[in-house]
Amino acid sequence: GAVVSQHPSWVICKSGTSVKIECRSLDFQATTMFWYRQFPKQSLMLMATSNEGSKATYEQGVEKDKFLINHASLTLSTLTVTSAHPEDSSFYICSARVGGVSTDTQYFGPGTRLTVL
Amino acid sequence: LAKTTQPISMDSYEGQEVNITCSHNNIATNDYITWYQQFPSQGPRFIIQGYKTKVTNEVASLFIPADRKSSTLSLPRVSLSDTAVYYCLPDTGRRALTFGSGTRLQVQP
Repeated sequence: GAVVSQHPSWVICKSGTSVKIECRSLDFQATTMFWYRQFPKQSLMLMATSNEGSKATYEQGVEKDKFLINHASLTLSTLTVTSAHPEDSSFYICSARVGGVSTDTQYFGPGTRLTVL
Repeated sequence: LAKTTQPISMDSYEGQEVNITCSHNNIATNDYITWYQQFPSQGPRFIIQGYKTKVTNEVASLFIPADRKSSTLSLPRVSLSDTAVYYCLPDTGRRALTFGSGTRLQVQP
């Protein structure tokens, strides 16, 4: 299957600082990428859809000024958590679709564990 | 979006076949059914996808009856490493996937 990578795999930061997470499609181009958040023992929650060359589309309840998304190329999308607070501590996962025989398939990155102290 | 219902958890032993059934009564005509596996602190991993009848790959089989109101993921001869959460999702092939609670499979020695 297609490979999606994320960097860093984990990050610890102080409250009030900003953190950038990168999501890359390694062997395909992705005009659209998705960002999810997962809290312990819970399922994945879609945060936003990242569109190459245009503004991201955020899900209801997700602050667009806090979670800045940039999709500057067909292989890279970044999520910046601005002024992070302990409640932003979570597991952030990105994904992208790849065309298949019958339908596009969504592939996920390995995730980034963010801990805000 | 079609709502899915899966068992919250299942237990099995090594070497057994495990069948996880997902109910999706109002699945749309254009939706495929896709199953993912997720280990702790990892992103979901694509397992298998189908529209109807039976699909098989090197890790699993997927059975979807003619009415497409349910699907069954079959894992042959599970091992301890199959302990994970399994998600059943309707997939239009375009929008982002919407995850439910999934099924937590625990494989015992």
